[in-house]
Formats: sequence, C-alpha cells, structure tokens
Amino acid sequence: KQEVTQIPAALSVPEGENLVLNCSFTDSAIYNLQWFRQDPGKGLTSLLLIQSSQREQTSGRLNASLDKSSGRSTLYIAASQPGDSATYLCAVTGPGRRALTFGSGTRLQVQP
Amino acid sequence: KAGVTQTPRYLIKTRGQQVTLSCSPISGHRSVSWYQQTPGQGLQFLFEYFSETQRNKGNFPGRFSGRQFSNSRSEMNVSTLELGDSALYLCASSLGRGTSYEQYFGPGTRLTVT
Repeated sequence: KQEVTQIPAALSVPEGENLVLNCSFTDSAIYNLQWFRQDPGKGLTSLLLIQSSQREQTSGRLNASLDKSSGRSTLYIAASQPGDSATYLCAVTGPGRRALTFGSGTRLQVQP
Repeated sequence: KAGVTQTPRYLIKTRGQQVTLSCSPISGHRSVSWYQQTPGQGLQFLFEYFSETQRNKGNFPGRFSGRQFSNSRSEMNVSTLELGDSALYLCASSLGRGTSYEQYFGPGTRLTVT
C-alpha cells in the first residue's frame, strides 16, 4: 500500500528566505507526482505535475524535483513571500491506483 | 475558462439524514473524482467517474455513492449520515484518465453533521 509522508509538518520562515519542502513515498512505481497548495478552508490549487519519467518541473518561483528510485520529491520555493503561507500537499498516482494518494501536508507560514 | 464548481458550499445536516453534493467539472473535462478531507484522516479518495461509469472506488461504506451525467457533471450522495461524515468534500476533474493529466480541484463542500 502506497504511503506518502511530508516533513516537516509545519514550517515558519521570514520573508525572502528560500525553502524546501519534502515528500517521500514508499512505492517507487508511480505514474506521476503532483504538488498542491491549500489555503485554510479552501480547495486545492495545483502547483506542479511531474511525470515519472521527469526529474523536475518549474513554475515561476517554484521548482519541484522527483527522484523516483529513492521515493522522494522536493518542492523548492525561492524568495518566499507572506502570500505563500498555506498548506502544501504532495500526492502520487500509481499502477492499480489512479486516484491520488496524499501526504498529510506541510503548513507553511512566511513572516513579513 | 471557469474552474471546477461545487454546490452547495456549506451544509448542515442531522444524523440519519441523507445529502447530495454536486460537482461541475471544467468544460471539456470528462473525469471526475471525489475526495473526503478530515483533520484526522487527511485526504481520502472516494470514487472516480469517467464517461458516466464508476472507474475506481475507495475504501468507504456503501452509504457513499455517486453518479456522473452525460455532460460530465457529477453528484455524490451520502445516506444515513453519521457524525464522522463531517468533512470537506472535494471534487477534482481532469481531461481524461491518462497519467499525464493534471487534476484540478473545486473549492469543496463543507458538510457538518450534528
């Protein structure tokens, strides 16, 4: 059974800092990995989708990497801003399970 | 292009009642999935519909059911509500079922069971 873990559970940083969020998964046989952002009480906003054959994806100040063999992904946020404060979730799909399996998220707070 | 819409946004029901939630996917998207989010269990997959057929089902009791219409809109129904069904119910849509398709989520329906 696929399990997804996100560390740390919570993170507080001053504005302007570069930061890395971690995601690990137990079964390396994944189809893809997706990073989402969730604001309190709201739905999920898709940030980046990485296919299993890709090593990284970039969108603006965000860069996500994938190391399938070690079961790890990182989300790098450059020059963090208070508007980046949210919970960040990673999720994977895999053989026999096209549904997303989610981690429990990292709650990020960027202090002005 | 309009995003995924869910109605209603908030619901309060009492134990034993039933409830129907609605999801309209992004125009052109044919796959709709439902997820339940609770503080204790996180995000859990309920079911996926594509071309009006249920393609995948998560580990939830039979009280949870759904359907998809020919225009790809989807509804989920929960019968005989229990306190533990209180949750944020999220709907996601994608163009198809292939692994390259990104999933887009709606704002959710917050269900409170008293």
